[in-house]
Amino acid sequence: KQEVTQIPAALSVPEGENLVLNCSFTDSAIYNLQWFRQDPGKGLTSLLLIQSSQREQTSGRLNASLDKSSGRSTLYIAASQPGDSATYLCAVKEGYGGATNKLIFGTGTLLAVQP
Amino acid sequence: KAGVTQTPRYLIKTRGQQVTLSCSPISGHRSVSWYQQTPGQGLQFLFEYFSETQRNKGNFPGRFSGRQFSNSRSEMNVSTLELGDSALYLCASTKPGQGGNEQFFGPGTRLTVL
Repeated sequence: KQEVTQIPAALSVPEGENLVLNCSFTDSAIYNLQWFRQDPGKGLTSLLLIQSSQREQTSGRLNASLDKSSGRSTLYIAASQPGDSATYLCAVKEGYGGATNKLIFGTGTLLAVQP
Repeated sequence: KAGVTQTPRYLIKTRGQQVTLSCSPISGHRSVSWYQQTPGQGLQFLFEYFSETQRNKGNFPGRFSGRQFSNSRSEMNVSTLELGDSALYLCASTKPGQGGNEQFFGPGTRLTVL
């Protein structure tokens, strides 16, 4: 059974700092991995999607990497800003491809960027 | 391009009642998935619909059901509400095609059961 874990559970950094959020999964047979952010009481905003065949994806100040063999993904945020404060979630889609779009979510990392 | 919409945004019900939540996916997306989010259990998959058929189901009791219409809009129903059903219910839509497509979430429906 696939399990997704995120470390740390909470993180507080001063503005301008670069930071890394971690996501690990127990079954390497994933189809893709997606990073989301969630503001309090809101829905999920997609940040980056990494296909199983890819090693990394970049969008602006965000860079996500994927190492399937070790069951790990990282989300790197450069030059953090107070507006980055949110909960960050990673989710994996399992390896049966198009048969289902079910995502298995991690527990999330609550990020606070102090001005 | 309009995003995923969910109605209503907030609901307050009492134990034993039933509730229906609605989700309209992004235009052209035919897959709709539903998730329950609670502080204790996090985000858990409820079910997925594709072309009006349930394609996958999570580990929830039969009180939770859903359906999808020919225009891809989906509804989920919870009967005989329990206090533990209080949660944020999120739906996501995915464009069909080769796997690896990005999933987009709606703002959620906050259900409170008293």
